[in-house]
Amino acid sequence: DGGITQSPKYLFRKEGQNVTLSCEQNLNHDAMYWYRQDPGQGLRLIYYSQIVNDFQKGDIAEGYSVSREKKESFPLTVTSAQKNPTAFYLCASIDRGRNYGYTFGSGTRLTVV
Amino acid sequence: KNQVEQSPQSLIILEGKNCTLQCNYTVSPFSNLRWYKQDTGRGPVSLTIMTFSENTKSNGRYTATLDADTKQSSLHITASQLSDSASYICVVSAGGNQFYFGTGTSLTVIP
Repeated sequence: DGGITQSPKYLFRKEGQNVTLSCEQNLNHDAMYWYRQDPGQGLRLIYYSQIVNDFQKGDIAEGYSVSREKKESFPLTVTSAQKNPTAFYLCASIDRGRNYGYTFGSGTRLTVV
Repeated sequence: KNQVEQSPQSLIILEGKNCTLQCNYTVSPFSNLRWYKQDTGRGPVSLTIMTFSENTKSNGRYTATLDADTKQSSLHITASQLSDSASYICVVSAGGNQFYFGTGTSLTVIP
């Protein structure tokens, strides 16, 4: 079955540590996105990529970095510069066909310890 | 300003009852509107997608309506079940990479 796989489901980070969240899709979608979700707030866009080797900052890119070396993969690194990283992170890709819209992964919950 | 507002913010209903969630938007241009269901700790899953010309679309016990003139959409849940407890998110597309998210309605169904 096609879909988006995010790993790990839970991640704990120490202060000052960089961590990388994985996102893999086998939907053959060109565009991929990273969102952050905090309690009581809507999803906020961190980064997106419309094509391999290209990505753009979203609304809250500071303290995050991404890469898009393969169409199927769009990993997100949460750096030590992100002062409040505890959140639920969602990866998504876009179907540009008739049902134009997002397909989401199951999310990664990151907690700073 | 392009915005999507959902109401109510939270809702508690008895199992078996019906409920309606609202989504008002000011997004322009309009491409489509989707309702997503997000279980706690999971990613959102699409329930319905509606384009400009569609007024009503059903997916099992979920029925979405769209009034493009007033820029309002509703999601009606019939005969609620405990498994309907989740957050419901309205997302409006303006085409291209322009997507606008509502903050969601948290629904709790109690026995």
